[in-house]
Amino acid sequence: ETGVTQTPRHLVMGMTNKKSLKCEQHLGHNAMYWYKQSAKKPLELMFVYNFKEQTENNSVPSRFSPECPNSSHLFLHLHTLQPEDSALYLCASSPSGRYNEQFFGPGTRLTVL
Amino acid sequence: EDQVTQSPEALRLQEGESSSLNCSYTVSGLRGLFWYRQDPGKGPEFLFTLYSAGEEKEKERLKATLTKKESFLHITAPKPEDSATYLCAVQPIYNQGGKLIFGQGTELSVKP
Repeated sequence: ETGVTQTPRHLVMGMTNKKSLKCEQHLGHNAMYWYKQSAKKPLELMFVYNFKEQTENNSVPSRFSPECPNSSHLFLHLHTLQPEDSALYLCASSPSGRYNEQFFGPGTRLTVL
Repeated sequence: EDQVTQSPEALRLQEGESSSLNCSYTVSGLRGLFWYRQDPGKGPEFLFTLYSAGEEKEKERLKATLTKKESFLHITAPKPEDSATYLCAVQPIYNQGGKLIFGQGTELSVKP
């Protein structure tokens, strides 16, 4: 595997389900990010982790819960989501948080019914 | 408030017809400006980083330039495979944590 990988690529869930998104980077980077991309809207930063520590939480609802066990892996735990949470969720990584050429994964297309 | 605005929202070109995409930004100190390309159903692909006014970067048919208020992505003699959404993002100088502020993108379509 190379670059940034995300699983699953597509996810359909009900409002009462609990699911997790997984991201793994194979670039030796120290910072990882979660973004939300909705149709016709700019990418919205959700969370930033530097060296496994959360350094940014962009006022994200608590129904989204991130986890970063090490610098290579990032999870986004989802529970009791709303239909308006349907979007493309993108993971990215960069060498550090300070200088910031971010490299993105292919995304998980989430649909909440 | 930090802000990034891209224009036009959509651009349709004939193959070989050169044009430019605009990214206007308002930020209290710029650490860097980034251009990405995004194909449908895929994540953004990094293209360029620009750090200071007057800087230029080139890659194949693409050339990015930067002033104190805006950046341009020039596309010379485009081909159909250049069709994609082009995203611009800025990193404020005050942000140590890696936050990027994205524009809404320009959707480019190049017809043969």
